[in-house]
Amino acid sequence: QQQVKQSPQSLIVQKGGISIINCAYENTAFDYFPWYQQFPGKGPALLIAIRPDVSEKKEGRFTISFNKSAKQFSLHIMDSQPGDSATYFCAASMGNYGQNFVFGPGTRLSVLP
Amino acid sequence: GAGVSQSPSNKVTEKGKDVELRCDPISGHTALYWYRQSLGQGLEFLIYFQGNSAPDKSGLPSDRFSAERTGGSVSTLTIQRTQQEDSAVYLCASSRGGQGETQYFGPGTRLLVL
Repeated sequence: QQQVKQSPQSLIVQKGGISIINCAYENTAFDYFPWYQQFPGKGPALLIAIRPDVSEKKEGRFTISFNKSAKQFSLHIMDSQPGDSATYFCAASMGNYGQNFVFGPGTRLSVLP
Repeated sequence: GAGVSQSPSNKVTEKGKDVELRCDPISGHTALYWYRQSLGQGLEFLIYFQGNSAPDKSGLPSDRFSAERTGGSVSTLTIQRTQQEDSAVYLCASSRGGQGETQYFGPGTRLLVL
């Protein structure tokens, strides 16, 4: 119940295309869903996050879609650029201090020029 | 302001030796996390500190692993009698500790056990 499933494991997209990464969870107590972006040799960095009281959040080219009933959420990267090539992790957390923080296994995105 | 810093950035050690990895969290952040990331893999939770509360050690893989946090700030992760399977990137993150607070990650320490 603590797991977060993520797919696909890897993704290749042409420049200008849409990248879509999906995540699913089981524990309905999760109440915060961030996405992290990690470049080689660097630590993960927060990209965008959503709480379950909204169904969508958009920041620039990045959008999170959240389906509470299906316990799924996804990251959409519009107009994908080569600079977006990185590993993306979804995560879920709960607890008064956010102490129960679970990460998905990651998706390696390659955007071709 | 300054982000999370970790030292050393790289560590090569021989099997059986002890290593200490250091994490300096963002000033004022009460929560501190250690994760392990093997090559091409996701993040494996190791240990969590929140303020002066007892740490959550549920992710530590064996009793060779321990961590402490002095004065609610700097943390040290110690691996005793290192094994080759301990080779990984060890990431530290800190947050303000509230519900849904963002974790900010350091650059990691790349540990190689020969």
